[in-house]
Amino acid sequence: KNQVEQSPQSLIILEGKNCTLQCNYTVSPFSNLRWYKQDTGRGPVSLTIMTFSENTKSNGRYTATLDADTKQSSLHITASQLSDSASYICVVSATTSGTYKYIFGTGTRLKVLA
Amino acid sequence: EAGVTQSPTHLIKTRGQQATLRCSPISGHTSVYWYQQALGLGLQFLLWYDEGEERNRGNFPPRFSGRQFPNYSSELNVNALELEDSALYLCASSPRRTNEKLFFGSGTQLSVL
Repeated sequence: KNQVEQSPQSLIILEGKNCTLQCNYTVSPFSNLRWYKQDTGRGPVSLTIMTFSENTKSNGRYTATLDADTKQSSLHITASQLSDSASYICVVSATTSGTYKYIFGTGTRLKVLA
Repeated sequence: EAGVTQSPTHLIKTRGQQATLRCSPISGHTSVYWYQQALGLGLQFLLWYDEGEERNRGNFPPRFSGRQFPNYSSELNVNALELEDSALYLCASSPRRTNEKLFFGSGTQLSVL
């Protein structure tokens, strides 16, 4: 069964600190993995995408890693800011005969405190 | 360039009523996806339309239905509303049947009283 699990469910950190969010997946056939940021009451916005052959991708203070062997990904946030407070969603895409399926994790809710 | 737009922003209905949610994709995008996000839960896939046809459907009852118009905009209809239908309904679009990232609208917050 295609599944994406994220941990922790929620996280509280102080402004300026670093944090790492985890994503484990069992999706086949794997196409790519994206991290989305969702502000409260808004739609998710794509942060990074990684394909099977990529193991690191950065977008400013966000760095995503992918280990295709262990089927794990992480999102590392450096020098957190108050605006980083949001839900972070891991989405794995599977491709079968030209049909694309997006499997969403339940997200990690991050709260950055001043 | 306009993003994905959804209307209305908020919708309040009572049990048993019907709700219609609308979505306009980014210009040039032919695929439209609908998701339900209940409070505190992850996104649950509802429907996928591409070029006017329903391509895939999530594990939801038949009272959740929709359609895609020739201009690629889409409607989601929910009949016989139940209290547990209260959720944020998100629409996303992507270029035709590609594996590109999804662009999401801001959603419609449906409250069923």
